[in-house]
Amino acid sequence: AQKITQTQPGMFVQEKEAVTLDCTYDTSDPSYGLFWYKQPSSGEMIFLIYQGSYDQQNATEGRYSLNFQKARKSANLVISASQLGDSAMYFCAMREGWYNNNDMRFGAGTRLTVKP
Amino acid sequence: SQTIHQWPATLVQPVGSPLSLECTVEGTSNPNLYWYRQAAGRGLQLLFYSVGIGQISSEVPQNLSASRPQDRQFILSSKKLLLSDSGFYLCAWSVGKETQYFGPGTRLLVL
Repeated sequence: AQKITQTQPGMFVQEKEAVTLDCTYDTSDPSYGLFWYKQPSSGEMIFLIYQGSYDQQNATEGRYSLNFQKARKSANLVISASQLGDSAMYFCAMREGWYNNNDMRFGAGTRLTVKP
Repeated sequence: SQTIHQWPATLVQPVGSPLSLECTVEGTSNPNLYWYRQAAGRGLQLLFYSVGIGQISSEVPQNLSASRPQDRQFILSSKKLLLSDSGFYLCAWSVGKETQYFGPGTRLLVL
C-alpha cells in the first residue's frame, strides 16, 4: 500500500498568490516525521520543512508552512506569495518509527508551475 | 557546515559495463548515508543505506551494490549495467533520524 500519496501531478499558480500542495500518508506508528522537498530542474533535492507527529503547532519556514491535520493524516504544503523560482517538483516524504534508519518514503511528487 | 558531493554529474554507459558512483560528505562525523534512484518523472526509491563503515542494508534486490569504505564515503557499484539502471541517482546523509540532505545527483544513461 502507498505510504505517501500526492494526488496532484501538476499545479499552476499565479505569481504572488498562495498555493497548497496536497499530501496524505498512511502509518500505524504513533511516532513519525513528515518532510517536504523541492526539486528544481537541476535535480537537487532541497529540504523545505519538517513536521513531527508530536508537534503541537504547524511548522513554518519563511514562505512555507505545513498544514498538519493528524486525524486526517494529511500534511499539505502551503507556499505563500509564489515566486517564479518556486516552479519545481515538490515531494512529500515520511519517516516512520524511532529506531529505524531506512524508512523515509517519498510520494510521486507534484509539479508546480508559477505563471508570471 | 556540511556539504555532500557526488560524481560524476552525468554518465553514459553501455549495457554490460561496470559502474561506480561516488558520494562524499564533509563537515559531519558518522552520518547515515543513503542511495536513492529516481526514474524519469517519478519519485525516489531507496536503494541502500548505511549507518557506519562496512554496514550496508539493501532495500531493493538488484544488480547494484553499495560499499562504505570510509566514514564519509559511500559508493554505488554494478558489475554489469542493465538498460533499466538508467535514472537519476541521489546520495543523501543524515545525523541519526534527522532530516536527510541530498547531493546534486548523478544522471546515468545506459545505452
